[in-house]
Amino acid sequence: KAGVTQTPRYLIKTRGQQVTLSCSPISGHRSVSWYQQTPGQGLQFLFEYFSETQRNKGNFPGRFSGRQFSNSRSEMNVSTLELGDSALYLCASSLVPQTEAFFGQGTRLTVV
Amino acid sequence: DAKTTQPPSMDCAEGRAANLPCNHSTISGNEYVYWYRQIHSQGPQYIIHGLKNNETNEMASLIITEDRKSSTLILPHATLRDTAVYYCIVRVHSNFGNEKLTFGTGTRLTIIP
Repeated sequence: KAGVTQTPRYLIKTRGQQVTLSCSPISGHRSVSWYQQTPGQGLQFLFEYFSETQRNKGNFPGRFSGRQFSNSRSEMNVSTLELGDSALYLCASSLVPQTEAFFGQGTRLTVV
Repeated sequence: DAKTTQPPSMDCAEGRAANLPCNHSTISGNEYVYWYRQIHSQGPQYIIHGLKNNETNEMASLIITEDRKSSTLILPHATLRDTAVYYCIVRVHSNFGNEKLTFGTGTRLTIIP
């Protein structure tokens, strides 16, 4: 079966712009989580959605937001981009109540 | 979630068993031990998890001490493809979602030909 799909794979944006990243979970998975990975901070949790509701949020500024649609697809948005937002953004889905997370390949965002 | 401690790096000869330790001395009774790995520039991959009994699947074995304060991930016959960063995570289970996974710095395992 198809895995977690993230689009686009690579993105270059300018400081001050906004960006939207997309994640299509594995079919039947209703839980979607987002993570940011940077060389300095490692893998950090952004937020998690289940049945269109945000259930957990990490310690990130309000410029980072997300949503989940009725088909479980999820998007995350970063507004007013800063150089420090350059990172690999990873999406993971899971089949509740089983809880192992399946990660996508990520979107590599570069802010210039 | 409880914190975990892992050695920053390890080497293992190809074909030998790789034993990756993890210390989780503050684990609580309802927290599971999970292992993921991340091969360079890819998303993390789930390996195995357990509560208190030893577990084995097609990828690896997980040995949890009786007091649950530490565990060891065993890759029985390491190959070059097993070179990756391995993360040990402890967390509770939820019926409503995967909740957040707290990744530490992990162990960078290098398989040597």
